[in-house]
Amino acid sequence: DAGVTQSPTHLIKTRGQQVTLRCSPKSGHDTVSWYQQALGQGPQFIFQYYEEEERQRGNFPDRFSGHQFPNYSSELNVNALLLGDSALYLCASSTPGRLDEKLFFGSGTQLSVL
Amino acid sequence: DQQVKQNSPSLSVQEGRISILNCDYTNSMFDYFLWYKKYPAEGPTFLISISSIKDKNEDGRFTVFLNKSAKHLSLHIVPSQPGDSAVYFCVAAIQGAQKLVFGQGTRLTINP
Repeated sequence: DAGVTQSPTHLIKTRGQQVTLRCSPKSGHDTVSWYQQALGQGPQFIFQYYEEEERQRGNFPDRFSGHQFPNYSSELNVNALLLGDSALYLCASSTPGRLDEKLFFGSGTQLSVL
Repeated sequence: DQQVKQNSPSLSVQEGRISILNCDYTNSMFDYFLWYKKYPAEGPTFLISISSIKDKNEDGRFTVFLNKSAKHLSLHIVPSQPGDSAVYFCVAAIQGAQKLVFGQGTRLTINP
């Protein structure tokens, strides 16, 4: 049973560019959340997708956008990259109901903005 | 504003002894708390949780204590094993909400 898979594992971009990160949820899960983990910090909630719609959003600018596909996979897009966007981006999946419990995380995409 | 605080960035414990990781929170609306463990190059994995209606929850070697009046929780690991070496995140949530609020993490090292 495949867990949460993310691609790519590492990415290097320059300021002003755009980036797309991808996530496939754990089998049987239909809800995907995205988190940003800066160096030395805990993960911070970006947003969550369920039924192809954004359900809730954290304190992130509109440069951060997402999408969920009918097969429940998801993308995170970041436009006009800033140096401060360098971080580990984590995707987590879950099932409806106890959405605050037992999120399953992928290994993340390490984004470096130069 | 850091709503969940783990004031110890690192902790070193001898194998077989007790490890105690502490966490404080500021938002009294939080009613569900979790601990996640993270190994290098892996995503965080769920360890144990506790609802605000309880003050203790135990799962094998792991016990979480919640003191609501002090807005404080702690994770006890007894006995500590080398495989417990990881970063531990204290996490808070409001049941029904969609997001988890993480602390900064504590790096636990278990020495043989």
